[in-house]
Parts: sequence; structure tokens; C-alpha cells
Amino acid sequence: KQEVTQIPAALSVPEGENLVLNCSFTDSAIYNLQWFRQDPGKGLTSLLLIQSSQREQTSGRLNASLDKSSGRSTLYIAASQPGDSATYLCAVWMDSSYKLIFGSGTRLLVRP
Amino acid sequence: DTGVSQDPRHKITKRGQNVTFRCDPISEHNRLYWYRQTLGQGPEFLTYFQNEAQLEKSRLLSDRFSAERPKGSFSTLEIQRTEQGDSAMYLCASSPRTGEGTNEKLFFGSGTQLSVL
Repeated sequence: KQEVTQIPAALSVPEGENLVLNCSFTDSAIYNLQWFRQDPGKGLTSLLLIQSSQREQTSGRLNASLDKSSGRSTLYIAASQPGDSATYLCAVWMDSSYKLIFGSGTRLLVRP
Repeated sequence: DTGVSQDPRHKITKRGQNVTFRCDPISEHNRLYWYRQTLGQGPEFLTYFQNEAQLEKSRLLSDRFSAERPKGSFSTLEIQRTEQGDSAMYLCASSPRTGEGTNEKLFFGSGTQLSVL
């Protein structure tokens, strides 16, 4: 059974810091790994999608990496801003399935 | 592209009542998903439709839950005889058919927050 774990559960940093969020998964038979952002009481916004054959994806100040063999992904946020404050969720798309399996998220607070 | 729309945004009901939620996916997205999210947790998969066909259901979807997608457009999720444990955010997502799962990106609605008293 696939399990997705995110560390840390919560993170508070001053504005301007670079930071790394971690995600690990137990079953490497995945199609892709996706990172989402969720603001309080809202739905999810897709940030980055890394296919199983890829090593990383970049979008603006965000960079996500994938090491499928070790079951790990990281989301790097450069020069953090207060507007980055949200919960960041990692999810894997399982091979031979129609579903994403999510971690519990990392709650990020960027202090001005 | 008006995004995925869910209605209502909030629903408060008494235990034992039936509730129904609606999801309107992005037009021409033929794949539609329902997820449930409780406080402090990530979303959990409930069910998946491709057009009007319900192709996968989670074991979380007990006999009290039923989902439909008539005509392959909007979808409804009904919970009968609600219990306090049903309190959660119910999220709908849609995606276009890409032919393979490797590039499948989901677009989520804002969810329906259910509170069962």
C-alpha cells in the first residue's frame, strides 16, 4: 500500500529565506509526482508535475526534484515571500490506477 | 475556462439527514474525481468518472455514499443518513483526457465543507 509522508508538518521562516519541503513515498511504481498548494478553506492549486522519467521541474521560484528509486521528492522555494504562506501537498499518481495519493502536507508560514 | 465549480460551499446538517453536493467540471474535461479531506490531512480519493462511467470507487465510499455523472457533464455526490464522521471538505477535480497518466494534471474546485451536528 502506497504511503506518502511529508516533513516537516509545519515550517515558519522569515521572508527572503530559501527553503526545502520534503516528500517520501513507499512504492516506486508511480506515473508522476505532483506538488499542490492549498490556501485555508480553499481547493488545491497545481504547482508542478514531474513525470516518473524526469528528475526535476521548475516554475518561477519553485523547483521540484524526484528520485524515484529512493522514493523521495523535494520542493525548493527560493526567496520566500509572505504570499507563499499556505499548505503544500505532495501527491503520487499510482501506476495502473486513476487516483492521486496525497501526503498530509507542510504548513508554511513566511513572516514579513 | 471558468474552473471547477462546486455547490454549495458550506453545508450544515443534522445527523441522519441526506445531503447532495454538485460539481461542474471544466467544460470538455471528460475525467472527474471526488476526494474527501479532513482537517490536517491530505485529500483521500473517493471515486472517478470517465465521461458518465464510474470506473473506480474507494473502499471509503460506503453504501451510504453514491455518486453519479449523468451525460458525462456535472456530477453529484449524495450521502444518506449522515454521521458525524462524514464531516469533512468534499473536493471535486477534473482533467482532460491525455491518453496517458504521466501528464495528467488535476484541476480542483474550492470544495464543499460539510458539518454534521
